[in-house]
Amino acid sequence: GQQLNQSPQSMFIQEGEDVSMNCTSSSIFNTWLWYKQDPGEGPVLLIALYKAGELTSNGRLTAQFGITRKDSFLNISASIPSDVGIYFCGRGTSYGKLTFGQGTILTVHP
Amino acid sequence: DVKVTQSSRYLVKRTGEKVFLECVQDMDHENMFWYRQDPGLGLRLIYFSYDVKMKEKGDIPEGYSVSREKKERFSLILESASTNQTSMYLCASRPRTGGTTGELFFGEGSRLTVL
Repeated sequence: GQQLNQSPQSMFIQEGEDVSMNCTSSSIFNTWLWYKQDPGEGPVLLIALYKAGELTSNGRLTAQFGITRKDSFLNISASIPSDVGIYFCGRGTSYGKLTFGQGTILTVHP
Repeated sequence: DVKVTQSSRYLVKRTGEKVFLECVQDMDHENMFWYRQDPGLGLRLIYFSYDVKMKEKGDIPEGYSVSREKKERFSLILESASTNQTSMYLCASRPRTGGTTGELFFGEGSRLTVL
């Protein structure tokens, strides 16, 4: 079953604020991936992390693979309205299948 | 660009009906997946396939079956739909790699309502 805990479940922020969300696991993994789902669309990959301690940025997004290999966080700086959506963390397993967290619903008020 | 196409965006079915959800990808990917998305539960894997005619159960296979007769097509079947199968269904694909990782490409989803 699912072994990822993602928090917070939802966030309501003002445009321009920074956002932080995280994902924890009871097991060690070799990969963390962060996806975003826009309303009415399928999830799209934002950032992939492959090494403990790795810190990777993609524009205003920054994600880190925790040293213990059991957690990861995603930060969004200076949020804008188009950041609205659901953010999922995922970890890779055999055959390339991914297990996902519960998702963080982000709402940005202009 | 990778294109994963799900045949129906919205379906309404009655309890006990047989339901087919079709998914086609155009990038010659070996691996295909069916997920179910529910509020507060995230994306849960129903079934996946790593080759034609091959299938593996995911985390919540009960009440579902799948078919992969051609590489580009992966079908999810609800033999007898029930109201607790009302959900958003997402198909995804990815190429086979040597590792355990890699980007999944998702379709837009099929929202199924069972009355």
